[in-house]
Amino acid sequence: AQSVAQPEDQVNVAEGNPLTVKCTYSVSGNPYLFWYVQYPNRGLQFLLKYITGDNLVKGSYGFEAEFNKSQTSFHLKKPSALVSDSALYFCAVRESSGNTPLVFGKGTRLSVIA
Amino acid sequence: DSGVTQTPKHLITATGQRVTLRCSPRSGDLSVYWYQQSLDQGLQFLIQYYNGEERAKGNILERFSAQQFPDLHSELNLSSLELGDSALYFCASSVPHATVSGGLNEQFFGPGTRLTVL
Repeated sequence: AQSVAQPEDQVNVAEGNPLTVKCTYSVSGNPYLFWYVQYPNRGLQFLLKYITGDNLVKGSYGFEAEFNKSQTSFHLKKPSALVSDSALYFCAVRESSGNTPLVFGKGTRLSVIA
Repeated sequence: DSGVTQTPKHLITATGQRVTLRCSPRSGDLSVYWYQQSLDQGLQFLIQYYNGEERAKGNILERFSAQQFPDLHSELNLSSLELGDSALYFCASSVPHATVSGGLNEQFFGPGTRLTVL
């Protein structure tokens, strides 16, 4: 069975500093990996995805994520955090083969402090 | 704006009642997914429809059911409501794919319906 772990419920970072939101996954085959962001009272918005190819994936709003197969991780990063990045971030995974649904992590709340 | 619409935005009802949540996918999307988001359970996949047919079931209770109509909008029916059913219910759609994995394509989420059961 596939699963996703986001080990941190909350991440605090100062504006202008780099940020990292961690995600590890477990699938039996090759993974498709996604990051979504949820702002207050809004639905989830797609940020980026890893399907195959370069391990570093660039997405919306200056975010990027690095796929590390040996560590089964897909951490979300941004070089310089903005206060407006404060939101709830979800990592999600599905297997590349088979007919399985997208499995989401529990989410990490990012607070960027001015 | 994702292009996915959900109504109503808020719903307050009593235990034992039945409610219907409605979702209209993005134009051209054939797959519709329903999710439940609660504080203790996180985001849980409930069910997927593709072009009117059920494709996959997740953690959906027997008291819950869904359908997708010929115009591709979908409804999630929740009956015999309990206090624990209070949650945000999201609908998502993706570009046409028959499988629940949806191929390579990301899902686009609606704004959600907040259900409060008193």
